Amino acid sequence: DAGVIQSPRHEVTEMGQEVTLRCKPISGHDYLFWYRQTMMRGLELLIYFNNNVPIDDSGMPEDRFSAKMPNASFSTLKIQPSEPRDSAVYFCASSLWYTAGANYQPQHFGDGTRLSIL
Amino acid sequence: SQQGEEDPQALSIQEGENATMNCSYKTSINNLQWYRQNSGRGLVHLILIRSNEREKHSGRLRVTLDTSKKSSSLLITASRAADTASYFCATDQGGKLIFGQGTELSVKP
Repeated sequence: DAGVIQSPRHEVTEMGQEVTLRCKPISGHDYLFWYRQTMMRGLELLIYFNNNVPIDDSGMPEDRFSAKMPNASFSTLKIQPSEPRDSAVYFCASSLWYTAGANYQPQHFGDGTRLSIL
Repeated sequence: SQQGEEDPQALSIQEGENATMNCSYKTSINNLQWYRQNSGRGLVHLILIRSNEREKHSGRLRVTLDTSKKSSSLLITASRAADTASYFCATDQGGKLIFGQGTELSVKP
């Protein structure tokens, strides 16, 4: 079975440019999560969707970041304009539906996009 | 801020030895999970322990949970070089996973 697919795997761009990260979740999964991983802050949840609807975006650092999920098989995370401090590895993960505290379903992660802003 | 704090930050052992990693957390939880991350890859779910469980086994993995101390431990027995990775605990906070900073495990052949 195909896992979570992220593209590109690596992105190097100059400060001020728009960056778009893409994610294809596992087919049939109801939840999609975007994370950012840095040495300083570890793994942070940015936003998550349930059935294509954003549920919690409290982790999005600022208005320069936006995420969309136009359909069940595709999501984007966009940074505009990008800054050097946005350099990190960005992960997308998906999971099946579950209720909090019961029948928990693990999250399946993609291999990430390593983003470098010069 | 991170919910889970892991100890040690790095651990180096010889193949065949056991590896123990600890995780502490701050608030009440529904469950606690452990994930592994190989270099350059995404996280992989290893095992989940519910708040009403004290111990759980899966192959060479043993997880304990002490809710009174708000802590968990992951034991990997008879370690192999392929176990070299970073290990993260994560707590379920109302559907959101909050990850610790991780323990970097190196298993030398």
